Amino acid sequence: DTEVTQTPKHLVMGMTNKKSLKCEQHMGHRAMYWYKQKAKKPPELMFVYSYEKLSINESVPSRFSPECPNSSLLNLHLHALQPEDSALYLCASSQLGRSIRREQYFGPGTRLTVT
Amino acid sequence: DAKTTQPTSMDCAEGRAANLPCNHSTISGNEYVYWYRQIHSQGPQYIIHGLKNNETNEMASLIITEDRKSSTLILPHATLRDTAVYYCIVRARIQGAQKLVFGQGTRLTINP
Repeated sequence: DTEVTQTPKHLVMGMTNKKSLKCEQHMGHRAMYWYKQKAKKPPELMFVYSYEKLSINESVPSRFSPECPNSSLLNLHLHALQPEDSALYLCASSQLGRSIRREQYFGPGTRLTVT
Repeated sequence: DAKTTQPTSMDCAEGRAANLPCNHSTISGNEYVYWYRQIHSQGPQYIIHGLKNNETNEMASLIITEDRKSSTLILPHATLRDTAVYYCIVRARIQGAQKLVFGQGTRLTINP
C-alpha cells in the first residue's frame, strides 16, 4: 500500500469556525509533512513531524495547529482562518533512518475555501 | 540547497520522448537531484532521483552531466497522461526528514 489518504477532499469554512484536516498512511513511514499550495504556485512546506515529534515549523501562523497522534495519522487543526488561507493543503510521508528510499509520497490534498 | 532553473513550459507530441532540462550549477557534492511531477489537482508524485550516475526506472530516465551542473529527465514515450508540472529539486541526503523546496517547475503539455 503506497497510498496517503486525506479527508475531507473539499472544505468550506467561515473565519470563526474550527475545523481539522486529516491525513493517514500505512506504509510505516516515520516522517509526515504538511504543505500548502496556492493556485498556480508550487507547494510550500508548513510542518514536518519526525517520529511523531514536530521537527520543522516554517514560521506558520498559530491559527494552524498540527498534531501527530500516532505514526500513521497527521492532523491539521484550523481556527480563525483568513480568506487568504484558502489553498490546497497537501500531506506527505517518507521513510526515515538509514533507509535509502527517502522519496515523499503525497496525498491528493484538501481544497480549503475560507469565506 | 542548490537553486534549480527550469523552462517555464514545454510541449511534446504524444508517443515521442519528452526531454526536460534542469540547471543546478551550484550543486554540491552531497546533493541529489530529485524529480517530482504534479498532475492537475493531484498531489505531487515522485519520479526518480540520482547523484551522479544516470538512473532509469519504470517511469523515466535521469541523465546527469559529468560536472553535475545540469540534468535531463526523459519520458521515453510520452502519453497524454504525462501532461503535468515537473519539478526538479536538489537536496542533500540527510538522516532526518527531507525538506523539499519546490521551484516553479516546467509545465509539460503532451499534444495528441
